[in-house]
Amino acid sequence: DAGVTQSPTHLIKTRGQQVTLRCSPKSGHDTVSWYQQALGQGPQFIFQYYEEEERQRGNFPDRFSGHQFPNYSSELNVNALLLGDSALYLCASSWRGVGIQSTDTQYFGPGTRLTVL
Amino acid sequence: SQQGEEDPQALSIQEGENATMNCSYKTSINNLQWYRQNSGRGLVHLILIRSNEREKHSGRLRVTLDTSKKSSSLLITASRAADTASYFCATDGRGYNKLIFGAGTRLAVHP
Repeated sequence: DAGVTQSPTHLIKTRGQQVTLRCSPKSGHDTVSWYQQALGQGPQFIFQYYEEEERQRGNFPDRFSGHQFPNYSSELNVNALLLGDSALYLCASSWRGVGIQSTDTQYFGPGTRLTVL
Repeated sequence: SQQGEEDPQALSIQEGENATMNCSYKTSINNLQWYRQNSGRGLVHLILIRSNEREKHSGRLRVTLDTSKKSSSLLITASRAADTASYFCATDGRGYNKLIFGAGTRLAVHP
């Protein structure tokens, strides 16, 4: 049973560029959440996708956008990169379900390390 | 902004000793979770405790929750060098699985 996977592992971009990060949820999971973790800090919630729609959003600008596909995988896009966007980006999946009690536990992927120069 | 605050920020102990980490939070919660992170890699879920629970065990882990004080503690008994990692508490924000993390406790276990 594959866990949460993310690609790429590492990425180096320059200011002003755009980046796309990818996430495949754990088998059977339908909800994907994205987090940003700056060095030495705890993760911060960016947004969450369920049924291909953004359901919740943290305090991040519109430069951060996402998408969820019918197979539940997800992308995180960041436009007009800033130096401060350098961080570890974590994807987490869970099962929200329909009409059945959802699970609270989120399973995290290994993350994508983004460096903006 | 981060809701949870872990204490201490860093902890250094010898193998075999117990490690206790504390977490405080600000708003009401449905549940509180503890995660471990090795060397800036992905987070590993350790244990979830619901707001109506006071204590929970999982192997060498013991978690307590005091909702009146808005605090939780994680106890790792008989620590091992492999327990060296950062430990985070996370509370569910206003919404399904919108986790709010603290800054974490960095635990170093020396052989």
